Amino acid sequence: DVVMTQSPLSLPVTLGQPASISCRSSQSFVYSDGNIYLNWFHQRPGQSPRRLIYKVSNRDSGVPDRFSGSGSGTNFTLKISRVEAEDVGIYYCMQATHWPLTFGGGTKVEIK
Amino acid sequence: EVQLLESGGGLVQPGGSLRLSCAASGFPFNIFDMSWARQAPGKGLEWVSCFKGSGHYTYYADSVKGRFTISRDNTKNTLYLQMNSLTAEDTAVYYCAKGSAMDVWGQGTTVTVSS
Repeated sequence: DVVMTQSPLSLPVTLGQPASISCRSSQSFVYSDGNIYLNWFHQRPGQSPRRLIYKVSNRDSGVPDRFSGSGSGTNFTLKISRVEAEDVGIYYCMQATHWPLTFGGGTKVEIK
Repeated sequence: EVQLLESGGGLVQPGGSLRLSCAASGFPFNIFDMSWARQAPGKGLEWVSCFKGSGHYTYYADSVKGRFTISRDNTKNTLYLQMNSLTAEDTAVYYCAKGSAMDVWGQGTTVTVSS
């Protein structure tokens, strides 16, 4: 199985400041079509997860442009350019290339 | 608008069975992969199963393989998860999601396995 490891576990941030979350995989996962199916999700307390980023760096519809994804190989990053209050919650990376699909353990973002 | 509505959760005794449903609308259900994921209380997300939109292939997490069965009825735009031999470790909120890349999630249905 592809193991996804996120860091940090917890990320206190100041409003208006940038934030960065790392996701590392135990192996690379380039699909036969050449794509890397690495997704990022955000889950606010008491809510369902929402996908933010797909295929490493593509923002889903309605996702603010302060969110960006990058990476290659086994190292991926989600960045928030300026954190807003609505960004609190838990962020998960997930690889959707190899079965079984696997999530990272999550990174909790909170406001200082 | 894409909508996914799960139902069928509840309290079940260890060793029991439950069938979850996910009613989909707002997209051509029959051509999309559909997934189930779960979240145990206070824990992270865990992928459970996927039913491919074409070819009828199904995939399972090792933790549920042999006990859970995913199925779909394209005439009813509904995804199912038959869960047998349930244990306390299966207690979780179960979500269905559109696609193997999970671009849209339902609100979830809660399954509690307890005596």
